[in-house]
Amino acid sequence: DAGITQSPRHKVTETGTPVTLRCHQTENHRYMYWYRQDPGHGLRLIHYSYGVKDTDKGEVSDGYSVSRSKTEDFLLTLESATSSQTSVYFCAISESGGRPDTEAFFGQGTRLTVV
Amino acid sequence: AQKVTQAQTEISVVEKEDVTLDCVYETRDTTYYLFWYKQPPSGELVFLIRRNSFDEQNEISGRYSWNFQKSTSSFNFTITASQVVDSAVYFCALIYNTDKLIFGTGTRLQVFP
Repeated sequence: DAGITQSPRHKVTETGTPVTLRCHQTENHRYMYWYRQDPGHGLRLIHYSYGVKDTDKGEVSDGYSVSRSKTEDFLLTLESATSSQTSVYFCAISESGGRPDTEAFFGQGTRLTVV
Repeated sequence: AQKVTQAQTEISVVEKEDVTLDCVYETRDTTYYLFWYKQPPSGELVFLIRRNSFDEQNEISGRYSWNFQKSTSSFNFTITASQVVDSAVYFCALIYNTDKLIFGTGTRLQVFP
């Protein structure tokens, strides 16, 4: 199994509070992704990173920020959590998105509930 | 626009039936990669197959087979002689611009004994 760990695995937080989810990898992969999974929407890309300090927005980036100060860690922050951000969040890693011999490996997911 | 469409929200079959999951994609890129992932009830995402835009050869792996047709922008997935353990949500995905990985909305497959 690819070395990818998400923390926390479950979190309940109140509306308006900041929340940070962490994705940690031990594979030294270049690419890291954050997705949210919601019924009827599948997996939607929030932000991704293609190297240390290099990040870009995905389809649903509003209300989220990310940081990657080390290869192994990719943090997702909800600056002020809202109920619409209740979701399951997945982190993924990939050596290189366009290389033919790589695929994305996923963490186990973080279930976030905003009340 | 780059997009992956899985029009089948949910499919139910009885064990041993064959089932095909459809995937249609849109991209302006000439180089891209397509994937299928499985998400069983336990929730993890499991990689099944990767195909690049220059390789239209169909692939078979046991009871699984994939049909890639650039002419119709489709990458369909067939399970032959389905089993209860195949019950899961299946996602089709696309990498474009070398690094953006996007997913379809998924197809929930239920296989009944």
